[in-house]
Amino acid sequence: ELKVEQNPLFLSMQEGKKNYTIYCNYSTTSDRLYWYRQDPGKSLESLFVLLSNGAVKQEGRLMASLDTKARLSTLHITAAVHDLSATYFCAVRSYNTDKLIFGTGTRLQVFP
Amino acid sequence: GAVVSQHPSWVICKSGTSVKIECRSLDFQATTMFWYRQFPKQSLMLMATSNEGSKATYEQGVEKDKFLINHASLTLSTLTVTSAHPEDSSFYICSALRRGPSYEQYFGPGTRLTVT
Repeated sequence: ELKVEQNPLFLSMQEGKKNYTIYCNYSTTSDRLYWYRQDPGKSLESLFVLLSNGAVKQEGRLMASLDTKARLSTLHITAAVHDLSATYFCAVRSYNTDKLIFGTGTRLQVFP
Repeated sequence: GAVVSQHPSWVICKSGTSVKIECRSLDFQATTMFWYRQFPKQSLMLMATSNEGSKATYEQGVEKDKFLINHASLTLSTLTVTSAHPEDSSFYICSALRRGPSYEQYFGPGTRLTVT
């Protein structure tokens, strides 16, 4: 059974101060990993789709990478700004099915 | 990206009544749609997979007689919460699977259900 673990659960940081990383571990083979953003009271917004080992994608201050051998994906946040405050989820496609299994989510709070 | 709509966006109903939520893929055909529920400050939990023209596949622990799913066309899936109770209050999100190179689920905006 595919399990997806995400950490940390909560990140609080001051704008522009440091870089942070969210980790997403999964337990069995998968061919696709997704990162989503969710604002309070809203649905999911797609950020990245990672398809192969070593894949790296960047959009603004967010960069996602995938290591399929370690079954690990990271979402790196560079010098966060308040607009990035949200909950971030990784989701892994269950191999040979169409299902997505979601991580627990990481709530990111960026204050001035 | 593809567009998926949900209706209604929020609904309040009385205990014991039934509520229907619609999920539509607006610009592509989806043979497979999914229904999730999300409690406050928690992750998304897959409830069922909706397949066009066949019965839905429910996840373990989800009552199929309580959460009726109908995928009547390639662009519409419905979730009916029957005999709703306060514990059914939740945020319900659907997604539509677009097959192809990116093989991605596109999520609807969600429906907030409150049962009083």
